[in-house]
Amino acid sequence: AQSVTQLGSHVSVSEGALVLLRCNYSSSVPPYLFWYVQYPNQGLQLLLKYTTGATLVKGINGFEAEFKKSETSFHLTKPSAHMSDAAEYFCAVSRGTALIFGKGTTLSVSS
Amino acid sequence: GAVVSQHPSWVICKSGTSVKIECRSLDFQATTMFWYRQFPKQSLMLMATSNEGSKATYEQGVEKDKFLINHASLTLSTLTVTSAHPEDSSFYICSARSALSSYNEQFFGPGTRLTVL
Repeated sequence: AQSVTQLGSHVSVSEGALVLLRCNYSSSVPPYLFWYVQYPNQGLQLLLKYTTGATLVKGINGFEAEFKKSETSFHLTKPSAHMSDAAEYFCAVSRGTALIFGKGTTLSVSS
Repeated sequence: GAVVSQHPSWVICKSGTSVKIECRSLDFQATTMFWYRQFPKQSLMLMATSNEGSKATYEQGVEKDKFLINHASLTLSTLTVTSAHPEDSSFYICSARSALSSYNEQFFGPGTRLTVL
């Protein structure tokens, strides 16, 4: 069965610091993996996705993630945090046509 | 492109009444739509998957008679919460996938906040 574990429900960084949000997955088939961002009282916006091919995936707003099959990981990074990055981040893995989400990580950015 | 809307964005109702939430794909045909429920500070829980013209597939533990889902056209799916109770209060989010979507990519609506008094 497909599942996702996000390590750390809350991550705090200073503006300009590296952002690292962790995601590990479990899948019985080659996975499709996604990172979404959610701002308060809004729906989800796709940051990036891994399907096949290049394991380093670049997304919007300067985010990127690397698919590591040996570690079953798909961690999200951004070299320099902005105040506007403060939001809830969800990692997801595909299950058939549906998506299974992790519990989410709240990113706080302080000045 | 790929815009999904939900209506209403928020609704307050009395216990025992029914509430209908609409999910529309504005610029593409959605062969599959998904309904999620999100509790405060928690993840999205998949409730059901609906394909146009067929019955919805509900996740384990989701009451079919409580949460009625209809996907009558390629641009509209509705979720009706029947005989709502305070414990049904939540943030409901829909997403849509077209036949042309690659790799299960879904587009999400802005969500509907339901408060049952």
